Amino acid sequence: RKEVEQDPGPFNVPEGATVAFNCTYSNSASQSFFWYRQDCRKEPKLLMSVYSSGNEDGRFTAQLNRASQYISLLIRDSKLSDSATYLCAVVPYNNNDMRFGAGTRLTVKP
Amino acid sequence: DAGVIQSPRHEVTEMGQEVTLRCKPISGHNSLFWYRQTMMRGLELLIYFNNNVPIDDSGMPEDRFSAKMPNASFSTLKIQPSEPRDSAVYFCASSTRTGNYGYTFGSGTRLTVV
Repeated sequence: RKEVEQDPGPFNVPEGATVAFNCTYSNSASQSFFWYRQDCRKEPKLLMSVYSSGNEDGRFTAQLNRASQYISLLIRDSKLSDSATYLCAVVPYNNNDMRFGAGTRLTVKP
Repeated sequence: DAGVIQSPRHEVTEMGQEVTLRCKPISGHNSLFWYRQTMMRGLELLIYFNNNVPIDDSGMPEDRFSAKMPNASFSTLKIQPSEPRDSAVYFCASSTRTGNYGYTFGSGTRLTVV
């Protein structure tokens, strides 16, 4: 089993739609969680951290479910500019190396 | 802040040649990571350093790969000899020691071995 697993998609949604991505991780002792965004032929960029209590940043909401070992990202009112690949990332406990999922590709269409 | 700086941006080389990729982390970041990204395998951690010391190199594919960090502001990833299957985008990233604030990635080096 991979350390971090994501549905690769692609997700093709119309503008204004709400879309959700899930990501599961295998190490129950993992301590830090993140969502990254990667545009085509660019580097991954931090989108948001994921806190135990859940957190929101504008149209983006991230949640963590430790019992089921998954994190989620919800995008509301999607924009054309949200089209990208979304990578989840997990830092194991007492460690500093981040493990990434394979990424979920999102295309928002007019 | 200039961010994480990688060079070269693109590298095309012939099989068997030595390739050296370079990275300058963000000043004050004491952890540095080398990743490789391919369509088939996604983003793979190759090696990481804390305070210039290699901590985990278990992701380095084979002995042809080596990495050094002679000081806090510079790291290299070397492939010798290079093979076509090494073709990928190589990213360097840096962070604070705890990594709680995520990593900052460089723009990457797109390596093509022909």
